Amino acid sequence: DAGITQSPRHKVTETGTPVTLRCHQTENHRYMYWYRQDPGHGLRLIHYSYGVKDTDKGEVSDGYSVSRSKTEDFLLTLESATSSQTSVYFCAISGAEGGNTGELFFGEGSRLTVL
Amino acid sequence: AQTVTQSQPEMSVQEAETVTLSCTYDTSENNYYLFWYKQPPSRQMILVIRQEAYKQQNATENRFSVNFQKAAKSFSLKISDSQLGDTAMYFCALFRGTYKYIFGTGTRLKVLA
Repeated sequence: DAGITQSPRHKVTETGTPVTLRCHQTENHRYMYWYRQDPGHGLRLIHYSYGVKDTDKGEVSDGYSVSRSKTEDFLLTLESATSSQTSVYFCAISGAEGGNTGELFFGEGSRLTVL
Repeated sequence: AQTVTQSQPEMSVQEAETVTLSCTYDTSENNYYLFWYKQPPSRQMILVIRQEAYKQQNATENRFSVNFQKAAKSFSLKISDSQLGDTAMYFCALFRGTYKYIFGTGTRLKVLA
């Protein structure tokens, strides 16, 4: 199994508070992604990274920011959480040895509830 | 626009029977990859099978096989000899060779004892 850990795994917070989710990989994969999973929507891309300090927006990036200061860490920040951001968040990686064969490896997910 | 459609939100199958999950997609690319991922109740996303578009031969992985129809842009998953452990949400995904993947909305499969 790919070494991907997400933290925290569960979090309950209040509207308006900042939240940071962390994704850590030990696989040295180049590409890292943050998805959110909601019923009826499947997985939707929030942000992705194609290298250290290289990030770009996905299809549902409003209200989220990311940072990648090291190959192994990709942080997702909700500056001011809203109830619509209640979701399960998945980190994923791809691109062993600099290439990208397409297979995504996923973390175990982080369930965020915004009250 | 590139899309992936899974038209069956829920399905059920008797243990040991065969079931087919449907997926259609739309892309203007000629080279791409297609995947089926499984998400059991544990929530962990697991790769089931992958298909390179340039390969005409359908991919197989033990009890899992695909029917890849490139012209029709169809990519169905067949599960043979269904087992209780196959109960999961199944996602079809399209990868175009850049950073972006497109996922379908999923099919929830329940295997009945």
